[in-house]
Amino acid sequence: GQNIDQPTEMTATEGAIVQINCTYQTSGFNGLFWYQQHAGEAPTFLSYNVLDGLEEKGRFSSFLSRSKGYSYLLLKELQMKDSASYLCAVRDDDYKLSFGAGTTVTVRA
Amino acid sequence: IAGITQAPTSQILAAGRRMTLRCTQDMRHNAMYWYRQDLGLGLRLIHYSNTAGTTGKGEVPDGYSVSRANTDDFPLTLASAVPSQTSVYFCASSDSPGGVETQYFGPGTRLLVL
Repeated sequence: GQNIDQPTEMTATEGAIVQINCTYQTSGFNGLFWYQQHAGEAPTFLSYNVLDGLEEKGRFSSFLSRSKGYSYLLLKELQMKDSASYLCAVRDDDYKLSFGAGTTVTVRA
Repeated sequence: IAGITQAPTSQILAAGRRMTLRCTQDMRHNAMYWYRQDLGLGLRLIHYSNTAGTTGKGEVPDGYSVSRANTDDFPLTLASAVPSQTSVYFCASSDSPGGVETQYFGPGTRLLVL
């Protein structure tokens, strides 16, 4: 079975930094994805990690430690438009994605 | 059409009725997926298809069926709807199941079963 845990909610101030942690226990590992989902909309791809380390893409970075079953998504220079749910997803050996329940981030002025 | 489309956008359905949710993609992606999203549970895979002509069961397949007659279309059918199937349904596609290719999601269908 798959077990993917992430915090339910986080709140931060505009311009600040927020780190969303994700821990996983899965039967097989073939990559970890982060998606952003605004209320009432479809998830959209943010980042992909398959090797240990940090992947940076503009204001967003994602880190992976396979030995610890741990990832985080770092959002820098927060903007109001970053208020959304952030979904951690692990791809297994059968290439199917399992998702965490998502972390709702609220950015306040 | 650009990307993935789903129809209908939303639907209210009486319990026991049959319903087909439609999904079409124009990206010529090989793999397609159906998820349901419920509050507090995240996205859960219902059925998937790695290529036209093949389908597989996901985490929550009971009460649902799919077909993949061609590359572009992947309909999801509820044979006899029940209130627990009230959810938001997302269709997704990817060029291949593995590799760095991510899944692209359609806009979703909001289904209420009464």
